[in-house]
Amino acid sequence: SYELSQPPSVSVSPGQTASITCSGHKLVDSYVCWYQQKPGQSPVLVIYQNNNRPSGIPERFSGSSSGNTATLTISGTQTMDEADYYCQAWDRSPEGVFGGGTKLTVL
Amino acid sequence: EVQLVQSGAEVKKPGESLKISCKGSGYSFHDYWIGWVRQMPGKGLEWMAIIYPGDSDTRYSPSFQGQVTISADKSISTAYLQWSSLKASDTAMYYCARHVLGYSGSSAGYYMDVWGKGTTVTVSS
Repeated sequence: SYELSQPPSVSVSPGQTASITCSGHKLVDSYVCWYQQKPGQSPVLVIYQNNNRPSGIPERFSGSSSGNTATLTISGTQTMDEADYYCQAWDRSPEGVFGGGTKLTVL
Repeated sequence: EVQLVQSGAEVKKPGESLKISCKGSGYSFHDYWIGWVRQMPGKGLEWMAIIYPGDSDTRYSPSFQGQVTISADKSISTAYLQWSSLKASDTAMYYCARHVLGYSGSSAGYYMDVWGKGTTVTVSS
């Protein structure tokens, strides 16, 4: 098992770019997903396989990875994007591990 | 439409047993892994366990191994999460989610593309 580290909070102005990082010493060559969770709702998959968007997820959401850090980028952030965001990766066996989550504030 | 419908909220006392359920529809239930994710009040997501209904193969997070039991009945497209003796610290929201196997370069993993609405479990004396 291992840990994934995310910043507790990120703030961005509407229309600007938000970047949320996820760090872990085993993230190199790992399979990373990102989930969005709004208050009182179930999580929603926004990025899978490091940089793929499910159908219905706006193009402003993108993912990337370099070394031990994965990044979720939201271009042209909208107020509706305000939510908690969680990265997730997979250890062997398989075992899923979530990051601690990042609260994105759009103001 | 692919859906996961979870059982209703539960209020239990410490030491009691509990089994919550998650019924899949709109897809071939036995062909996909399905698992459970815990979210304690005001906290983040924690991956607990998955099961492959086709052959009942299971995987557990070390944090939850021995604490809960995941099972499935493919004849009724339903997955379960079970406790034999609840603790107050089991108070949480529990989500079920369909896991889809994917590959990225040399690595493999699962993405959770469909989630249930969650089952609230409250354990209090």
